[in-house]
Amino acid sequence: DAGVIQSPRHEVTEMGQEVTLRCKPISGHNSLFWYRQTMMRGLELLIYFNNNVPIDDSGMPEDRFSAKMPNASFSTLKIQPSEPRDSAVYFCASRTSGSYEQYFGPGTRLTVT
Amino acid sequence: ILNVEQSPQSLHVQEGDSTNFTCSFPSSNFYALHWYRWETAKSPEALFVMTLNGDEKKKGRISATLNTKEGYSYLYIKGSQPEDSATYLCASFNQAGTALIFGKGTTLSVSS
Repeated sequence: DAGVIQSPRHEVTEMGQEVTLRCKPISGHNSLFWYRQTMMRGLELLIYFNNNVPIDDSGMPEDRFSAKMPNASFSTLKIQPSEPRDSAVYFCASRTSGSYEQYFGPGTRLTVT
Repeated sequence: ILNVEQSPQSLHVQEGDSTNFTCSFPSSNFYALHWYRWETAKSPEALFVMTLNGDEKKKGRISATLNTKEGYSYLYIKGSQPEDSATYLCASFNQAGTALIFGKGTTLSVSS
């Protein structure tokens, strides 16, 4: 298995632009998680899906952030408009709901100038 | 709100030293405790998943213990090597048992 796949690996954009991060979970995993890693706050849970349905988005920082999971093999995290304080590493992770083991993707390093 | 706390925040040791870190978590509605090893520019890599009070797991020179009644776990590294340098993350499930909540990690630096 290829593991959790994220794209792009690096993204540099200007303030005000729309940013879309993509994630493909491990095949067969029905839970998907978006995390954000910053020096100040560590690894924060933003939102997670179970069977493509958003379960808890209380970690999404602002209305500028949105996430979708149109099918079992694809999810997006969108920031519109982006701001410099959104600069961070964004991780996607997946697992099977009956298992405790969670696997992470390689992350997308976002820089907003 | 679930708080997972880790200490120390960072640690610097010499090659060959043994060291340990602490993770504390709410003991109510406990499901499982995870330890991950994370190197910059890589994915967090799972070290241990622990579910039972008193559980002890070992992988090479790294081991971990779990006390679910008092809500803490220790990670031990015996004879630290420079390649052990990384951030070690602890995580526990939220109250619903559906999502992992992470501590801020302990960053270990091992000098040769």
